[in-house]
Amino acid sequence: DSGVTQTPKHLITATGQRVTLRCSPRSGDLSVYWYQQSLDQGLQFLIQYYNGEERAKGNILERFSAQQFPDLHSELNLSSLELGDSALYFCASSVSHNTGELFFGEGSRLTVL
Amino acid sequence: GENVEQHPSTLSVQEGDSAVIKCTYSDSASNYFPWYKQELGKGPQLIIDIRSNVGEKKDQRIAVTLNKTAKHFSLHITETQPEDSAVYFCAANSGYALNFGKGTSLLVTP
Repeated sequence: DSGVTQTPKHLITATGQRVTLRCSPRSGDLSVYWYQQSLDQGLQFLIQYYNGEERAKGNILERFSAQQFPDLHSELNLSSLELGDSALYFCASSVSHNTGELFFGEGSRLTVL
Repeated sequence: GENVEQHPSTLSVQEGDSAVIKCTYSDSASNYFPWYKQELGKGPQLIIDIRSNVGEKKDQRIAVTLNKTAKHFSLHITETQPEDSAVYFCAANSGYALNFGKGTSLLVTP
């Protein structure tokens, strides 16, 4: 158990819909990362927050947004969903920014039909 | 942004043999290079990392080497065991981001 909690574990929805994925980082970790994992693209970095502030942005679509709340949990919002958004979405947390171990949750599997 | 290339995408070895996975990166400012192992149905887990001030690091059967001049780093697993079968990811930092390669699916056959 990494200490990172992601909900929901599985989600099935239709094209055009909006979903919210939630992540609770390990106790004491200030950084939260979001990654998208699909079969052909590996682990794609989406966005990183540190203590409530956005610190780095990767290949995150404009239809996607995220935030980190004062209690350090984070949410990833995916809207106007397309079939191609079907993937495993991972949250990871760490104490520091980008030079220390990332602890990954078990992921949220999103299926868009 | 950082581009991390990883090869091979699949690797099959016999138990007891060695496995080598290679990665290249593009950002010359990168100074942290971790390797993660992902087992089926789980999130990736750190197995070893190396920072730019060293060229090699070893932990029991796994080792990582780094060539900063050539911008490549490698993972070496010796005396492979069936439980080493998993997907392995290399990564490199770039600014505040940590970018991963596309992964290597390693299969160790008894």
